[in-house]
Amino acid sequence: DVKVTQSSRYLVKRTGEKVFLECVQDMDHENMFWYRQDPGLGLRLIYFSYDVKMKEKGDIPEGYSVSREKKERFSLILESASTNQTSMYLCASSLSWGGNTIYFGEGSWLTVV
Amino acid sequence: GQQVMQIPQYQHVQEGEDFTTYCNSSTTLSNIQWYKQRPGGHPVFLIQLVKSGEVKKQKRLTFQFGEAKKNSSLHITATQTTDVGTYFCAGANFGNEKLTFGTGTRLTIIP
Repeated sequence: DVKVTQSSRYLVKRTGEKVFLECVQDMDHENMFWYRQDPGLGLRLIYFSYDVKMKEKGDIPEGYSVSREKKERFSLILESASTNQTSMYLCASSLSWGGNTIYFGEGSWLTVV
Repeated sequence: GQQVMQIPQYQHVQEGEDFTTYCNSSTTLSNIQWYKQRPGGHPVFLIQLVKSGEVKKQKRLTFQFGEAKKNSSLHITATQTTDVGTYFCAGANFGNEKLTFGTGTRLTIIP
C-alpha cells in the first residue's frame, strides 16, 4: 500500500513564525501535492511538484513556498505564518501525470495564534 | 480557471434512504475521480471515470459520468452508517492533468 506520511499531526504556531510541514511518500511517485482543506471550500491546491526540484503553483500559492530536494520528500513552508493560514494541510502523491489516483497523508492541523 | 461545483454541501438522511451528490465542471474533463473522507480522516480514492456516459458500480454506490464529460454523480442506495463522511469529486482537464476538487458533500446518517 502507498504510504504518505506527514511529520506533524497537530501544530500550534505564533503569528510571524516560520512553519515547516514535511511529507514523505514511499512509493517512488513522481508527483507530490500540498492541499489545504477548509469548511465549505473543499480541497484547494497550494503547490505541486512533478519532479525533484520542480514545482508549480496551484490555486492558492500566496504565503507559501515548497521544497523538493528528494523524490520522496515534499515540504511546505509558511515563511511568516498568519492567522488566516489556520487550516488542515494535506500532502498527497500520485504515480505520474495523466489524472492518476492521488494518495493522501493523514493531514496536519495547523493553528496560528 | 477550471471550477468544479458540487451540490449539495450537506445532506442528512435516514438510514436506509438513498443519497445522491452532483458534480459540475465549468470545462470538459478528461476524467473524473471520486474520493471519500471519513470524519477525522483523509480523502481516500473510490473510483475513476474516463469515458463519456460511463457508469460504474461498487456495491451500493453508482457513479456516472455525463455525456458531455462536464458533470458526474454519485448515488448511494439504502445508506448505512458506514457511509458517513464527505464525498469529493475531482476533475482533470485535457492537457493539464492537475486535479481540481469539488467543494464536497458531507453526508450524515440518522439511525
